[in-house]
Amino acid sequence: DVKVTQSSRYLVKRTGEKVFLECVQDMDHENMFWYRQDPGLGLRLIYFSYDVKMKEKGDIPEGYSVSREKKERFSLILESASTNQTSMYLCASSSPGQGKPQHFGDGTRLSIL
Amino acid sequence: GEDVEQSLFLSVREGDSSVINCTYTDSSSTYLYWYKQEPGAGLQLLTYIFSNMDMKQDQRLTVLLNKKDKHLSLRIADTQTGDSAIYFCAEASGTYKYIFGTGTRLKVLA
Repeated sequence: DVKVTQSSRYLVKRTGEKVFLECVQDMDHENMFWYRQDPGLGLRLIYFSYDVKMKEKGDIPEGYSVSREKKERFSLILESASTNQTSMYLCASSSPGQGKPQHFGDGTRLSIL
Repeated sequence: GEDVEQSLFLSVREGDSSVINCTYTDSSSTYLYWYKQEPGAGLQLLTYIFSNMDMKQDQRLTVLLNKKDKHLSLRIADTQTGDSAIYFCAEASGTYKYIFGTGTRLKVLA
């Protein structure tokens, strides 16, 4: 079974802090994704990566950056956290090829005070 | 626009069948998915269907696809309290582009 592990289930940070969310997958997947999930809005794609050191903006990249130094690890960075970034963050990975299903981690519920 | 639409809530009695509906937008989507999200957890892939199929059955789950109407449904037979969760429909409209619905919250009454 694919295992996608997010480093924290719950995180509380302060406005202005730099925040790192970590995600690791164990299936040698090329593709990795970061989403945020908000009530009534479903999942919105922040960034994705299709290879080491490669990254592409999703639908809502503002205020975020990412890092993919190793194939198995994809980090989401909030450069200067703001209260409107309080959300559930979900990491996913998939193997290459059109339509391959995404496999998700358990999510990080981030609160910015 | 690119919207995958689902009704927000569904309530059924234990032992009944549940049918969760979804309409999608991209007729070129090759795969359509159903995910389940339990409280406080991530999304778990339940099943998926390729766009050249009309139906797929997997134990208690039946997926029906109507390409003409861009309509996808998930039927859960003999619904149990453990099936209470949020169910997301999603379409893959490109190699990296996945569009998710807003989710249907299924409540199973004992």
